[in-house]
Amino acid sequence: ETGVTQSPTHLIKTRGQQVTLRCSSQSGHNTVSWYQQALGQGPQFIFQYYREEENGRGNFPPRFSGLQFPNYSSELNVNALELDDSALYLCASSSPGLAETQYFGPGTRLLVL
Amino acid sequence: AQSVAQPEDQVNVAEGNPLTVKCTYSVSGNPYLFWYVQYPNRGLQFLLKYITGDNLVKGSYGFEAEFNKSQTSFHLKKPSALVSDSALYFCAACSGGSYIPTFGRGTSLIVHP
Repeated sequence: ETGVTQSPTHLIKTRGQQVTLRCSSQSGHNTVSWYQQALGQGPQFIFQYYREEENGRGNFPPRFSGLQFPNYSSELNVNALELDDSALYLCASSSPGLAETQYFGPGTRLLVL
Repeated sequence: AQSVAQPEDQVNVAEGNPLTVKCTYSVSGNPYLFWYVQYPNRGLQFLLKYITGDNLVKGSYGFEAEFNKSQTSFHLKKPSALVSDSALYFCAACSGGSYIPTFGRGTSLIVHP
């Protein structure tokens, strides 16, 4: 098991609502990445945070936003939820730098009705 | 643009037999390549990575992968499969100038007793 934790484990929301997902990174890691994994697909990169600043972003709309806190924990916020946002959301922590191994949390499964 | 292909949705192998899970990639420049495993209702677990050096990379749980630059492949292998190896396997790649990995769609490995 990695030291990355995520909460909640499961969540049900309705279309148009807002959701906040949380992640605590592994000790010693100051970089956090968020991924969306739709059913039957590989993880898709949403964004990465390093030292509380966004450090890269995938092809996701602005209604996907994030924060990283001084203790390197992180939040993913999604506004105006759509049905297609239903997925497993994964958080991964790592040391900074290219090709550093990412350590994943167990994920939050979001269902949008 | 980066891309990763895992041409097999499912691989079936008998316990004790060797296994191969295929991955091909397309990135600009030198690739950084990764294999992760995902068990049901769990996050991704790191198996191994190729950065540079020896084309044969050894990883966790007896897995290894062979980097082949001419074929742009990074196939995952294990000499003797175990039933407990049954899981979903993801290949990921990023270019030398990017820290954002692209994941394949995953291959379901089923090891029969």
